[in-house]
Amino acid sequence: DAGITQSPRHKVTETGTPVTLRCHQTENHRYMYWYRQDPGHGLRLIHYSYGVKDTDKGEVSDGYSVSRSKTEDFLLTLESATSSQTSVYFCAISAAGNQPQHFGDGTRLSIL
Amino acid sequence: DAKTTQPPSMDCAEGRAANLPCNHSTISGNEYVYWYRQIHSQGPQYIIHGLKNNETNEMASLIITEDRKSSTLILPHATLRDTAVYYCIVRVLKVSNFGNEKLTFGTGTRLTIIP
Repeated sequence: DAGITQSPRHKVTETGTPVTLRCHQTENHRYMYWYRQDPGHGLRLIHYSYGVKDTDKGEVSDGYSVSRSKTEDFLLTLESATSSQTSVYFCAISAAGNQPQHFGDGTRLSIL
Repeated sequence: DAKTTQPPSMDCAEGRAANLPCNHSTISGNEYVYWYRQIHSQGPQYIIHGLKNNETNEMASLIITEDRKSSTLILPHATLRDTAVYYCIVRVLKVSNFGNEKLTFGTGTRLTIIP
């Protein structure tokens, strides 16, 4: 299995609080991605990174920001969490944009 | 990316070959066929991908029809651990894939392996 660790695995927080999710990889892959998965919507891309300090938006990026200061870490931040951001968040990595993506085990985030 | 059509659910007896079909009749010449699966509460797992030739790896085989309008994922000897939702995805692969990085997951096929 690809060396991907997501933390925390579970989090419950309140509306309006900031939240940061971390994705750590040991594969030295260039590309990293954040998806969210909700019933009826499948997986939707939030943001992705194609190198250190290089990021771009996905299809559902509003309300989220990302940072990648090191190859191995990709952080997803909810500046002011809302109940609509309750979801399961998956990180994925790939060696290149045209290579298969490999996923972490997800973070289950509940915002009350 | 082209759309795909998969049956919503299938059953297969343990030890038998599981054959999962996927229709992608609008696929373009530069689109690959990918298969992923998701076991309950885990992240999606990459299985296999191909362009037009049949492909085989340690997990599965991928059979793509000559006109590329459909494909079949074959799990040769299904086990209970293969119970999962299987997703067929078609995706353009440019040299860098810059600007087209997302994977579009549909609703998939829920495969249940019966003991």
